[in-house]
Amino acid sequence: QKEVEQNSGPLSVPEGAIASLNCTYSDRGSQSFFWYRQYSGKSPELIMFIYSNGDKEDGRFTAQLNKASQYVSLLIRDSQPSDSATYLCAVYSSASKIIFGSGTRLSIRP
Amino acid sequence: DGGITQSPKYLFRKEGQNVTLSCEQNLNHDAMYWYRQDPGQGLRLIYYSQIVNDFQKGDIAEGYSVSREKKESFPLTVTSAQKNPTAFYLCASSQGQAGNQPQHFGDGTRLSIL
Repeated sequence: QKEVEQNSGPLSVPEGAIASLNCTYSDRGSQSFFWYRQYSGKSPELIMFIYSNGDKEDGRFTAQLNKASQYVSLLIRDSQPSDSATYLCAVYSSASKIIFGSGTRLSIRP
Repeated sequence: DGGITQSPKYLFRKEGQNVTLSCEQNLNHDAMYWYRQDPGQGLRLIYYSQIVNDFQKGDIAEGYSVSREKKESFPLTVTSAQKNPTAFYLCASSQGQAGNQPQHFGDGTRLSIL
């Protein structure tokens, strides 16, 4: 089992809809969780981070953390073509290191 | 503006040659990291440093070396021992030494073999 797992996609979502990206992790002692957006050929850009169970909202983005079920998700409301990118989930584990998932490719169709 | 500067943007390596990738940050961050990204893959940690004059191996350190003589700078050398160096190299930094803070990335260096 991979330490941080993401569906590679592509996930295709119509413009204006909600895109839901999921990430599961294996280390129950993980403390901090991050979502990055990476456009093709570019470096990752921090979108959200969350430390506590529940939801955290920032504009059109909402991060959801459920430590009991060991998953973290990212919701993107009112999806725009500019949201088309690869989304990387990263987890700070109990071994004191950040582990990145392989990313989910999101495509917003007009 | 504060940020992380990586240079060069593109680099070509001849067989048997060592090459050095530069990473400079003016964010006053304590921790710095080097990652390698292969096409369609996630990020793999090469080396990291939480404080000046100290650094630790990541998951794929073989064939690479680093130094951290100044807080602002964390250069990565890709040695001739790294037989498959073609990849996208990313430098990142974060506040504090604990490692649980968000990382901010430079624009990356693309390394290819001539």
